[in-house]
Amino acid sequence: GNSVTQMEGPVTLSEEAFLTINCTYTATGYPSLFWYVQYPGEGLQLLLKATKADDKGSNKGFEATYRKETTSFHLEKGSVQVSDSAVYFCALGHYSSASKIIFGSGTRLSIRP
Amino acid sequence: DVKVTQSSRYLVKRTGEKVFLECVQDMDHENMFWYRQDPGLGLRLIYFSYDVKMKEKGDIPEGYSVSREKKERFSLILESASTNQTSMYLCASSSGQEGADTQYFGPGTRLTVL
Repeated sequence: GNSVTQMEGPVTLSEEAFLTINCTYTATGYPSLFWYVQYPGEGLQLLLKATKADDKGSNKGFEATYRKETTSFHLEKGSVQVSDSAVYFCALGHYSSASKIIFGSGTRLSIRP
Repeated sequence: DVKVTQSSRYLVKRTGEKVFLECVQDMDHENMFWYRQDPGLGLRLIYFSYDVKMKEKGDIPEGYSVSREKKERFSLILESASTNQTSMYLCASSSGQEGADTQYFGPGTRLTVL
């Protein structure tokens, strides 16, 4: 079946460090891929998405590229800020699952000043 | 912007009580979802609805039921609350026009069952 595996946390970095959070998926065909972010005390919000191979999603300095050859959608940011501290979820949507989205287990990111 | 609201941010109930969690969206979305979020387990789908009065079980429907009498409102019901239902409950909606399209989330309800 369809599934998402993401890097376990927690991840702690210093401000201005480079961030990578790994995400790989298992699915047939061409799923849609998402990164959601959950700030403390809030619900999830869409950070970025990509709907076909080689697409790059980007938002707020974060980027992720849909790599079908490696079935990956890793999240990157060149210089993190304290305000990026949150939980990040990789997610997958597939036509076989209708409108449902499958979420990874989440990666907690903490940024030290 | 899409707005999804949930009736309570925090709720404390006793074992055996009937609990209602309400969710309202204002974007005329077809689909609505209820998840629970627990540490280390990510989000797990309880129920979803793709139309008024229509519902489908998710991955963990046991102990829960839902109601969707109006398009904008989706209720989660715990018929007899138990301590293992202590969790964060998240509601979401999506337009339903693009297959696996973006889901928009409410702020969540943190439920404690004593």
